[in-house]
Amino acid sequence: QVQLVQSGAEVKKPGASVKVSCKTSGYTFSGYYIHWVRQAPGQGLEWMGWINPNSGGTNFAQKFQGRFTVTRDTSTTTVYMELTRLRSDDTAVYYCARDIGWGWFDPWGQGTLVIVSS
Amino acid sequence: EIELTQSPGTLSLSPGERATLSCRASQSVSSSHLAWYQQKPGQAPRLLIYGASSRATGIPDRFSGIGSGTDFTLTISRLEPEDCAVYYCQQYGTLPYTFGQGTKLEIK
Repeated sequence: QVQLVQSGAEVKKPGASVKVSCKTSGYTFSGYYIHWVRQAPGQGLEWMGWINPNSGGTNFAQKFQGRFTVTRDTSTTTVYMELTRLRSDDTAVYYCARDIGWGWFDPWGQGTLVIVSS
Repeated sequence: EIELTQSPGTLSLSPGERATLSCRASQSVSSSHLAWYQQKPGQAPRLLIYGASSRATGIPDRFSGIGSGTDFTLTISRLEPEDCAVYYCQQYGTLPYTFGQGTKLEIK
């Protein structure tokens, strides 16, 4: 079955960087965009951006441009999200999700908690 | 950026009742590119509805969506205890994709 399995929780200091992985399986990796969505504690969902695993092309929400990078490794069917210059308000659960159509997501990874604290 | 406003913020109903959740967009959502997700505590969101009214695979027919333009509705008929969750709408017609703030459904 289709699965997206993310790496484990991270604790980082302000100004540091974090890299989260999303290992996919059960489908043709190059055929579906992967999106990243985050959720601050007790808050709603915030779309961050996507990657086209076929071309490597990306598109990010403006507020994350410059700090947010998404890459993929086609040999391991894994997508990576890196967020730099971390701030305390980057504390959130970060989800990867497969785009199965024109922008709706199914399934989602289990989420990765990133805590930014001094 | 399209803002999505969901109402009510919290809904408290009994098993067997019908829940009606609203999602209103600040501008028209192109081609009814609107989805609904269910999120239970400690879990990732789960896709319920896409294209405003199409049920995702494996979603019971108790869940239905309708709407176009700026007004969309998710209806859950015959509520069951496991429907207790937060429900989010998402528009994917215009970048950046955006989500509503969520409606919390409580089952009495």
